[in-house]
Amino acid sequence: QVTLKESGPALVKPTQTLTLTCTFSGFSLSTSGMRVSWIRLPPGKALEWLARIDWDDDKFYSTSLKTRLTISKDTSKSQVVLTMTNMDPVDTATYYCARRSPDEDAYDMWGQGTMVTVSS
Amino acid sequence: QSVLTQPPSVSGAPGQRVTISCTGSSSNIGAGYDVHWYQQFPGTAPKLLIYGNSNRPSGVPDRFSGSKSGTSASLAITGLQAEDEADYYCQSYDIRLSALEVFGGGTKLTVL
Repeated sequence: QVTLKESGPALVKPTQTLTLTCTFSGFSLSTSGMRVSWIRLPPGKALEWLARIDWDDDKFYSTSLKTRLTISKDTSKSQVVLTMTNMDPVDTATYYCARRSPDEDAYDMWGQGTMVTVSS
Repeated sequence: QSVLTQPPSVSGAPGQRVTISCTGSSSNIGAGYDVHWYQQFPGTAPKLLIYGNSNRPSGVPDRFSGSKSGTSASLAITGLQAEDEADYYCQSYDIRLSALEVFGGGTKLTVL
């Protein structure tokens, strides 16, 4: 059974750095073709892809946010970590991690999401 | 503003057929990249509905179908049911963004 779960602070202050952890089970990120992304949903807005890390440790970032994002993985812990610097109220959103499986090559499994509010 | 354009809302009566369009350009859908569709209910995570333009994951009713032509893709829902009321998103890739991933702006489906 594949599961993903996001964890991190519910509230951060402007200018602070956000660190989110995606802990998954039921698959290995060292399997060829496996990928994990972070995707967010701001209130009342659309899904926005943020970053992705692949089985071979290739990393990809949203062009509009790449200067603020860092994604990493710990295969032994089955975790993917996203850091986002210089947080702003417009970054208030529900943050999801999702698996992009090599079979469908689409996001077939998602975490439940974690709501992050940026406010002083 | 997304590079994939969806209508903000569509509606239909129970039993009817509705379609949701996803319009891109020569740098994404038109470049041959696959389109995927997701269904999202308020307060829950998105669910994969269609992958690879027209394939349904196991468990997705055949009332849902996807197609792609040129620079656009479509999601069709036949035999509309009240429980289909949700937000729907298309997703693809864009070569201008180094084949990075893009979502459409989302479409709210209302079942009348």
